[in-house]
Amino acid sequence: AQKVTQAQTEISVVEKEDVTLDCVYETRDTTYYLFWYKQPPSGELVFLIRRNSFDEQNEISGRYSWNFQKSTSSFNFTITASQVVDSAVYFCALSEPNTGNQFYFGTGTSLTVIP
Amino acid sequence: EADIYQTPRYLVIGTGKKITLECSQTMGHDKMYWYQQDPGMELHLIHYSYGVNSTEKGDLSSESTVSRIRTEHFPLTLESARPSHTSQYLCASSAPGQGKNEQFFGPGTRLTVL
Repeated sequence: AQKVTQAQTEISVVEKEDVTLDCVYETRDTTYYLFWYKQPPSGELVFLIRRNSFDEQNEISGRYSWNFQKSTSSFNFTITASQVVDSAVYFCALSEPNTGNQFYFGTGTSLTVIP
Repeated sequence: EADIYQTPRYLVIGTGKKITLECSQTMGHDKMYWYQQDPGMELHLIHYSYGVNSTEKGDLSSESTVSRIRTEHFPLTLESARPSHTSQYLCASSAPGQGKNEQFFGPGTRLTVL
């Protein structure tokens, strides 16, 4: 069973629009960690944020914000006023302590920002 | 800033050749990983290590092998490359901490087997 679902395969937005990338996860653990990574065309995965299961505070970092809702098992990522440099594939991931540090990655969402 | 390196960045090689993809990190991380990824697609864990002399196979069956003789070094070897091995290979490492620590990724090796 897929532990992390990113239902949006591809999204295109026009520059300066806001865009939300969805992430739904599945776990039976009460303690777990969620992550978002960005993979630009160069190929390297860049860590964006980590959230633990006990911290449901939303976080904002510049144009990026994350909405963590345990009730719906979702950890969505919003980019405000998108820019061309935001074009990349974005991956959501789940880590459970009882599996060491193995990450369960979603299938990724490819975001294209059109100038 | 993460310090994890992979060489070569790009490799084009003929079928049947033996290749080794290098991965090293300078952060002293115990945990290291190899992922296989087709461009823009999901990542598949093929090998991981929790420390020196520890190696395990990941979720995706792979014909490659790995070794972990030194903490900082985690090379991946293909004894006989085939066109089906064409892919991007990403190496990652993380600090210990029961799953809470992010994985840092290297730049990847794009392998093409002709």
